[in-house]
Amino acid sequence: EAGVTQSPTHLIKTRGQQATLRCSPISGHTSVYWYQQALGLGLQFLLWYDEGEERNRGNFPPRFSGRQFPNYSSELNVNALELEDSALYLCASSPDGNYGYTFGSGTRLTVV
Amino acid sequence: AQSVAQPEDQVNVAEGNPLTVKCTYSVSGNPYLFWYVQYPNRGLQFLLKYITGDNLVKGSYGFEAEFNKSQTSFHLKKPSALVSDSALYFCAVRDVSNYQLIWGAGTKLIIKP
Repeated sequence: EAGVTQSPTHLIKTRGQQATLRCSPISGHTSVYWYQQALGLGLQFLLWYDEGEERNRGNFPPRFSGRQFPNYSSELNVNALELEDSALYLCASSPDGNYGYTFGSGTRLTVV
Repeated sequence: AQSVAQPEDQVNVAEGNPLTVKCTYSVSGNPYLFWYVQYPNRGLQFLLKYITGDNLVKGSYGFEAEFNKSQTSFHLKKPSALVSDSALYFCAVRDVSNYQLIWGAGTKLIIKP
């Protein structure tokens, strides 16, 4: 069974540009979660999608947005990039909250 | 409010010694508790979970965790630490209102040869 896949692995952008990060969940998982992790620190919750709908949102500005497609894959878009957006962005999927999440390996976003 | 606390930012243990990484939680009802490990520049890997049953839960890589309801704790343990256990460890509890996981801040475990 394929795990959660994220692309690209690394992404370098210039301040003010837009970044698009992608996530494919485990087959059968309908929920996708996005987290930001800066400098190997804690996880900051960004977004939760389930069945194509945004279910919850963390304390991030509106320039962080995303969507979930009919096949349950997801995109995270970050507009007007700032230097402090440089971080590891982790995607996780779950069939439901009872059994925890499965994480992808992350996308390392560097803003220069 | 529901929450998870990992009171130690870092734990240092000599190789071969037992290790404990602490986690306490606050949640209404019966808790669903999880431990994950993160190696550098990688995603989180599931170690173990407690949902119900035996208070001592065994997981991957020789780790185990003890659920203590009276102390609202779920400490991660291993009888004999390996250098390769050095990583960042996260404790999490399920939010009873929406099934999201609430995460602790993480504990950096350093095993010295």
